[in-house]
Amino acid sequence: DIVMTQTPDSLAVSLGDRATINCKSSQSVFYSSTNKNYLGWYQQKPGQPPKLLIYLASTRESGVPDRFSGSGSGTDFTLTINNLQAEDVAVYYCHQYFNTPDSFGQGTKLEIK
Amino acid sequence: QVHLVQSGGGVVQPGGSLRLSCAVSGFTFNNYAMHWVRQPPGKGLDWVAMISYDGSNKYYAQSVKGRFAISRDNSKDTLHLQMDSLRAEDTAVYYCARVHGSGSYHFDSWGQGTLVTVSS
Repeated sequence: DIVMTQTPDSLAVSLGDRATINCKSSQSVFYSSTNKNYLGWYQQKPGQPPKLLIYLASTRESGVPDRFSGSGSGTDFTLTINNLQAEDVAVYYCHQYFNTPDSFGQGTKLEIK
Repeated sequence: QVHLVQSGGGVVQPGGSLRLSCAVSGFTFNNYAMHWVRQPPGKGLDWVAMISYDGSNKYYAQSVKGRFAISRDNSKDTLHLQMDSLRAEDTAVYYCARVHGSGSYHFDSWGQGTLVTVSS
């Protein structure tokens, strides 16, 4: 099974600054025959279900602000939030869907400094 | 508009059973694989089970294998999770989620979640 590890567990960033969250998989989630990384990012606010932000490591879901971006390949991935807004306070999860069982990172709690 | 509306949560004693449902609308249900994901109170997301678009393939987390059963009724646009022999550690908010398909298998829509509490 693929283990997903996020760093840091929590971070505090000032409004308008950049937040960076990292996700590492225990094995590659890159599928060479499709040239795609099967990695997604979700945002979860209290009392709400997760919301998809990024899929295929770097494709932004429709309606997601362009201050959210994803990067990386293979086993190392990053979610970057530029120009942090108050409404970005949430827990963020990475998710590998390269193979079954699917697995999630433990989550990164983002707060305002 | 895609909607996933869950029902069936509640409080159950250890060893008991519960059936969760996820009624969908706004898309052709029998074209999509579906998953269940759970979240223990104050903790992260934990994958539970998956069913293919036609119900022919089912996969389970090791922690629930043999106790939980995922199923779907494509005539009623509804996904189910039958949970038997429940344990305290099964206490969580349970979410149904739709697989995007079309070359990427991320979860693009989620139900609102339903709380299952296993306690005596």
